[in-house]
Amino acid sequence: GDSVTQMEGPVTLSEEAFLTINCTYTATGYPSLFWYVQYPGEGLQLLLKATKADDKGSNKGFEATYRKETTSFHLEKGSVQVSDSAVYFCALSDLTGNQFYFGTGTSLTVIP
Amino acid sequence: DTGVSQNPRHKITKRGQNVTFRCDPISEHNRLYWYRQTLGQGPEFLTYFQNEAQLEKSRLLSDRFSAERPKGSFSTLEIQRTEQGDSAMYLCASSHRDSFTGELFFGEGSRLTVL
Repeated sequence: GDSVTQMEGPVTLSEEAFLTINCTYTATGYPSLFWYVQYPGEGLQLLLKATKADDKGSNKGFEATYRKETTSFHLEKGSVQVSDSAVYFCALSDLTGNQFYFGTGTSLTVIP
Repeated sequence: DTGVSQNPRHKITKRGQNVTFRCDPISEHNRLYWYRQTLGQGPEFLTYFQNEAQLEKSRLLSDRFSAERPKGSFSTLEIQRTEQGDSAMYLCASSHRDSFTGELFFGEGSRLTVL
């Protein structure tokens, strides 16, 4: 079945460091791919998405490119801030768009 | 737009008791989803509704779990005869099918603790 595997955390970085959180997927066909973020005390919210191969999603300085050949959707940010501290979830939706599958989440802490 | 609202935010109950969680989605959203999240894991899909129709329920964890959305607006998730393994965060999310952008809007969740 469809699934998502993401890099385990926790990840601790200094402010302005480069961030990569790896995500790979297994799916039938061409799913849509997402990164959701959960800030402390808040619900999950969409960070970015890509709906087809080679698409790049971007938001708030974060980027991820849908790589069909490597079945990956790695999250990157060039310079993290303390306010980026959160749990990041990679997810995919199946071909119907009716079901979403989430990774286990990666906790990021950015220290000043 | 007040967002997705879930109640109660935290429920502590004794094993064997029944519990019910309520979700009020964003008003114009016709799709509503329930997920379960345990510590260190991502959200696990349970069921979803389009309007009042429950279109997928095979992922509900056992026959002790049931969900309703009687008028296509709010939804309830009931767990009967709770077990300690039911302790988790129960998340509700909504979206609008006709303008589906791939975005689920999540509530803050209802945390269940079974003693």
